[in-house]
Amino acid sequence: GAGVSQTPSNKVTEKGKYVELRCDPISGHTALYWYRQSLGQGPEFLIYFQGTGAADDSGLPNDRFFAVRPEGSVSTLKIQRTERGDSAVYLCASRPTGTSVETQYFGPGTRLLVL
Amino acid sequence: TQLLEQSPQFLSIQEGENLTVYCNSSSVFSSLQWYRQEPGEGPVLLVTVVTGGEVKKLKRLTFQFGDARKDSSLHITAAQPGDTGLYLCAGVNTNAGKSTFGDGTTLTVKP
Repeated sequence: GAGVSQTPSNKVTEKGKYVELRCDPISGHTALYWYRQSLGQGPEFLIYFQGTGAADDSGLPNDRFFAVRPEGSVSTLKIQRTERGDSAVYLCASRPTGTSVETQYFGPGTRLLVL
Repeated sequence: TQLLEQSPQFLSIQEGENLTVYCNSSSVFSSLQWYRQEPGEGPVLLVTVVTGGEVKKLKRLTFQFGDARKDSSLHITAAQPGDTGLYLCAGVNTNAGKSTFGDGTTLTVKP
């Protein structure tokens, strides 16, 4: 069975550009999380979806960051007017329906470099 | 803000040695998890501890949750090169749904 997949695996962009990062969760998982991991640090929570709706977006750092999950499966994290400080690994995780909050399965991440 | 502090930040040991890494929280979580992350990969869950004082064993790894449910430790016996990686602890509050991670301990086991 396929795990969580993320595309692209690497993204290099210039300051000020717009980027989209995609997450394909494990089939049937209703909960989806985005985290950001900077070099030498642990993952930092960004946003949590339950189905199509954002249940908690308190971790989004500012209004340049936005995420959607229109059909309750694939999710896209969108970053506008990228800044050098946005450079990090963006991790996605999913969780199956009806299990405890602990069982998150992580993807390999997208490494974003803003020049 | 709930914070998790992990120590040491870096640890380099020889194969066969024992080690302990620590995770300390400023507040209580519903449960605490330990993950292992390898370069270029996402974190992989090792264990979840829920009850204060709980001890769980996973082969050569022993996880302990403090009585006050604010701290945890991971002890590895007879470390092997395959244990090399970043060990992360994460606190979970059931109602919040999200995990709060520490900054990890980078373990290197030399053959």
